[in-house]
Amino acid sequence: KAGVTQTPRYLIKTRGQQVTLSCSPISGHRSVSWYQQTPGQGLQFLFEYFSETQRNKGNFPGRFSGRQFSNSRSEMNVSTLELGDSALYLCASSLVPADRAGANVLTFGAGSRLTVL
Amino acid sequence: DQQVKQNSPSLSVQEGRISILNCDYTNSMFDYFLWYKKYPAEGPTFLISISSIKDKNEDGRFTVFLNKSAKHLSLHIVPSQPGDSAEYFCAARSISGSARQLTFGSGTQLTVLP
Repeated sequence: KAGVTQTPRYLIKTRGQQVTLSCSPISGHRSVSWYQQTPGQGLQFLFEYFSETQRNKGNFPGRFSGRQFSNSRSEMNVSTLELGDSALYLCASSLVPADRAGANVLTFGAGSRLTVL
Repeated sequence: DQQVKQNSPSLSVQEGRISILNCDYTNSMFDYFLWYKKYPAEGPTFLISISSIKDKNEDGRFTVFLNKSAKHLSLHIVPSQPGDSAEYFCAARSISGSARQLTFGSGTQLTVLP
């Protein structure tokens, strides 16, 4: 079955712009979690959506937002981009809410590499 | 405040030898620990996990050890192979407590030299 698909894979923006990233989960998975990966910081949790509702949120400013559609596809948006937003943005899907299941529940996409100039 | 720490950003090991990747955590609520492996241009993939009721879990060449009193876990790869060269992340969560969301470490880049 198809894995987690993230688009676009690479993009370049300038400071002050906004960006929207898309994530299509594995078919049947209703939970989508978003992470930011930067060198030295590892994967930082942004938020999780389940059944179109934000279930959990990490410690990121309000410029970072997301949503989930009825088909479980999710988008995240970053407004007023800053240089420090340059990162790999990963999404992961799971069948049940990520905070309810046990081990190896998250299946990650390949990520969207954002560069802010 | 990093609750999961991987203090070695990189590690180089000769093929056939043992690779030991270390991870420390501070949150005593964590009771489930996982290791993920990530190749460049790919997402992390699950490797192995361990519950806090155990101190060792083995899967083929991969073994994870958990020392709860020291709040330390390690991943052993024996024997190491060039295909193991990747970035490794440890992650932790609480199955029943308040810290249910996966918390990741900063990663260790493993290079296995042929």
